[in-house]
Amino acid sequence: DAKTTQPPSMDCAEGRAANLPCNHSTISGNEYVYWYRQIHSQGPQYIIHGLKNNETNEMASLIITEDRKSSTLILPHATLRDTAVYYCIVRGTGNQFYFGTGTSLTVIP
Amino acid sequence: SAVISQKPSRDICQRGTSLTIQCQVDSQVTMMFWYRQQPGQSLTLIATANQGSEATYESGFVIDKFPISRPNLTFSTLTVSNMSPEDSSIYLCSVAVDRSYGYTFGSGTRLTVV
Repeated sequence: DAKTTQPPSMDCAEGRAANLPCNHSTISGNEYVYWYRQIHSQGPQYIIHGLKNNETNEMASLIITEDRKSSTLILPHATLRDTAVYYCIVRGTGNQFYFGTGTSLTVIP
Repeated sequence: SAVISQKPSRDICQRGTSLTIQCQVDSQVTMMFWYRQQPGQSLTLIATANQGSEATYESGFVIDKFPISRPNLTFSTLTVSNMSPEDSSIYLCSVAVDRSYGYTFGSGTRLTVV
């Protein structure tokens, strides 16, 4: 079962940073937080993941709070191609991914 | 990351028939997963397919309706049996090659049952 809560939708102006929040208050010490996105009619695409420390890659940054009960995905300069549904997933020691409802991000020109 | 080829990409089927979806991976993987995405909804895990053992089904999904084969480490099939319009969904397979990068998803099979 999904362990995450996300706002159903968000808007962001093109060129601005998009900050997508996720609550995972029941996360345990060895569970990772993963972010994926799904552009219409395509399979989900991996973005980033982390355990405790903040992470950054070429696509995004992941900020995890010190108590690990929430995190924020940051797209530093949103483009129209970033319009998608973004999923925050907590993965435990098992191997299954359980998707929540996700956040539908719309980047506005 | 792995490259997944999923076939067919889409199909329109008559109710009462069955459709087998294939998932081919370009590298050997231990675990493969099958998901269903109903129209406008998130992804729901159907089952985990391990090579050499029976698939493990999630609550609400049964083997008689969604039989899965896993004959080797690069291939799996999911059959949607005795289809009804409620089975109209996108079906996706997923694999984990490197735990550091999470899972890779296929592009999905869009199934419409009429």
